[in-house]
Amino acid sequence: AQSVTQLGSHVSVSEGALVLLRCNYSSSVPPYLFWYVQYPNQGLQLLLKYTSAATLVKGINGFEAEFKKSETSFHLTKPSAHMSDAAEYFCAVSDANFGNEKLTFGTGTRLTIIP
Amino acid sequence: KAGVTQTPRYLIKTRGQQVTLSCSPISGHRSVSWYQQTPGQGLQFLFEYFSETQRNKGNFPGRFSGRQFSNSRSEMNVSTLELGDSALYLCASSLGSSNAGELFFGEGSRLTVL
Repeated sequence: AQSVTQLGSHVSVSEGALVLLRCNYSSSVPPYLFWYVQYPNQGLQLLLKYTSAATLVKGINGFEAEFKKSETSFHLTKPSAHMSDAAEYFCAVSDANFGNEKLTFGTGTRLTIIP
Repeated sequence: KAGVTQTPRYLIKTRGQQVTLSCSPISGHRSVSWYQQTPGQGLQFLFEYFSETQRNKGNFPGRFSGRQFSNSRSEMNVSTLELGDSALYLCASSLGSSNAGELFFGEGSRLTVL
């Protein structure tokens, strides 16, 4: 079964500092990997996705993630945090199988930005 | 382009009752998925419908059911409500074909069971 593990349920960074949110995956097949963001009282929004085309994936709002097969990781980074980045972030995995929309989510990381 | 619309946004029920939640996907999207979000269990997949057929199902009891209509709108139903069913129920739509996993979520229906 596929799964993702997010290290750190809470992460705090200062405004302007590097954001690093960790995600490790477990999959018996080539995975599709995703990062979603959830702002308070809202649904989830796709930040970026990896579908084997390129290992470094750029997403919205200045976020990017690098797929490292040797480390089974897909960490999310942003060079400079902004107050508006405060939200909960979810890593997710699905089979690289067209027609399968089932996502398995991690437990989430709540990002706090310190002014 | 209108996003995914879920109704109602908030509702309160008592144990033993049943509830129906509605989801209108983005126009042109044929896949609708449902997720339950709770503080303890996180985001859990309920089921996915594509062209009126259930294509995937999560590990939830039979009290949880859903359906999809010919216009792609979807409903989910929970019967004999339990306290543990209190959660945010999220609906997501997608094209359901070559963009596997690229889901567009609604704002959710927050269910409180008393």
